[in-house]
This record gives sequence, C-alpha cells and structure tokens, in this order.
Amino acid sequence: KQEVTQIPAALSVPEGENLVLNCSFTDSAIYNLQWFRQDPGKGLTSLLLIQSSQREQTSGRLNASLDKSSGRSTLYIAASQPGDSATYLCAVRDDKIIFGKGTRLHILP
Amino acid sequence: NAGVTQTPKFRVLKTGQSMTLLCAQDMNHEYMYWYRQDPGMGLRLIHYSVGEGTTAKGEVPDGYNVSRLKKQNFLLGLESAAPSQTSVYFCASSYYLGQTGELFFGEGSRLTVL
Repeated sequence: KQEVTQIPAALSVPEGENLVLNCSFTDSAIYNLQWFRQDPGKGLTSLLLIQSSQREQTSGRLNASLDKSSGRSTLYIAASQPGDSATYLCAVRDDKIIFGKGTRLHILP
Repeated sequence: NAGVTQTPKFRVLKTGQSMTLLCAQDMNHEYMYWYRQDPGMGLRLIHYSVGEGTTAKGEVPDGYNVSRLKKQNFLLGLESAAPSQTSVYFCASSYYLGQTGELFFGEGSRLTVL
C-alpha cells in the first residue's frame, strides 16, 4: 500500500532564505507526483506536476525534483517571501492518488 | 476560466437530514473526484468517476452516494447526515492521459452536521 510522508509537519523560515520541502513515498511505481499549496480556508492550487519519466520541473522560484528509486521528491523555494506562507502538499499517482498530510510553512518577515 | 466550481460553499445540517454537493468543471476532464479533508487526517478519497455514467468507491465511501450523469458534473449526496460527516469537501478533476493528468481542485464546501 502506497504511503506518502511529508516531514516536517511545520517549518518557519526567515524571509529571503532558500528552503526545501520533502515528500517521500513507499512504492516507486508511480505515474506522476504533484505539488500543491493550500492557503487557510481555500482549495488546493497546483504548483508543479512531475511525470514519472522526468527528474525535475521548474516554475519561477519553485523547483521540484523526483527520485523514484529512493522514493523522494523535494520542492525547492528560492528567495522565500511572506506570501509563500501556506501548507504545501504532495500527491503521488499510481492506481490511486495518495496525498501527504502537508508541511505548514511560515515565512517570517 | 471557472475551472472547478463547487456549490454550496457552506452548509449546516441537522443529523438525519440529506443534501447534495455539486461539482462542475469546464475543462472537459474525464476524471472527477470527491475528497474530504479533516484535521490530522489529510485528504481522503470518498468516490471518483472515470467518465460520464461511471462511479467508483474510494477510501471512505460509507454514508455517501455519487452520480455522474453529465461529463461536466459530479454530485455527492448525503442521504442521512451524521456529525462524523462534518468536514471540508473538495472536488477535483483531471484528464486521463494515461494516468498522467494534472489534478485541479475546487475551493471546497464546508459542511457542519449538528
């Protein structure tokens, strides 16, 4: 059974720093992995989608990597800003779509 | 672009009442999903549909029914609401594309059952 873990559950970082969020999964036979952000009381906004054949995807200050063999993905945020404060979730897709429980990120002004 | 739209956004029910949540997408997606999100439990799949006229059970289907009569709409029904169904419900949709389609979410429907 696929399990998706995000550690840490919460993270506080001073503004301007670069940071990495982690996502690990137990079964490497996935079709893709997707990163989302969720603001309080809102829905999930798609950030990046990495197909199983890809190693990384980039969008602006965000870079997501995928290493299927080790069951890991990272989301790199460059030059963090207070507006980046949110919960970040990853989801892996095999026969189902399994979500991690997220990392609550707080950027300190 | 509307994307994925959920109605209503908020609802309060009494135990035993029934209601239907509507999800509509304008992206011509084949797949549609209903999730619930609870503190400490993360997102859990209730039911999903791989195309018009089809539905399937997810991880936590008990107490819910769904219908997909039109490709763009996916309805989630509670026949007899219980306090344990107090939650935030999210609808999502995606293309099939050999299982590699990007997932898009609605804004959520917050349901309280008294």
